[in-house]
Amino acid sequence: DTGVSQDPRHKITKRGQNVTFRCDPISEHNRLYWYRQTLGQGPEFLTYFQNEAQLEKSRLLSDRFSAERPKGSFSTLEIQRTEQGDSAMYLCASSLRLAGSSYNEQFFGPGTRLTVL
Amino acid sequence: GEDVEQSLFLSVREGDSSVINCTYTDSSSTYLYWYKQEPGAGLQLLTYIFSNMDMKQDQRLTVLLNKKDKHLSLRIADTQTGDSAIYFCAESLIMDSNYQLIWGAGTKLIIKP
Repeated sequence: DTGVSQDPRHKITKRGQNVTFRCDPISEHNRLYWYRQTLGQGPEFLTYFQNEAQLEKSRLLSDRFSAERPKGSFSTLEIQRTEQGDSAMYLCASSLRLAGSSYNEQFFGPGTRLTVL
Repeated sequence: GEDVEQSLFLSVREGDSSVINCTYTDSSSTYLYWYKQEPGAGLQLLTYIFSNMDMKQDQRLTVLLNKKDKHLSLRIADTQTGDSAIYFCAESLIMDSNYQLIWGAGTKLIIKP
């Protein structure tokens, strides 16, 4: 396994268009996270899945954002009616959450850089 | 609320030690992590420390945790040009029965020849 992969690496779109990103986690990992990162900031949590269940979504996240992980493996993040403020790096991470453990090492993909014109 | 703060920049000479500092506000942190982000690359875990420890050493890296002051530091001995990156501090908290990572804004380490 080569780690977490994301596709595409770069996406340029016009305002108002919909975009979809894909993340393939490390195969044995049960948790998958989506973050957004802008220049000079740390990752901002968007949502995460345990297997196929979406357990939490950031209260700051617009309804234009939706994520799925239909079979508990890869995940997609869709942004509808993109706005210029959506321009950012979108990071995916995965981890293996063991029952009774609070250790949470997350392995990150290279990110998808979105530019909304 | 929870918050993690770091200085935005640190400049050191090659061969010197670098000390990157981080403060956090939530005393219920379980683990604290240091991640490294190089240009064009994903975030990579460097090291971590459990909240009941006060020091951890791993080759050139030394992590110090002062729980009373809620202060975490990462010391890189004999800093090399390959250490140039942004270093993020993150704390693991239980929020709404789930473990979440709260991130600092990152410290950019600049190496002077």
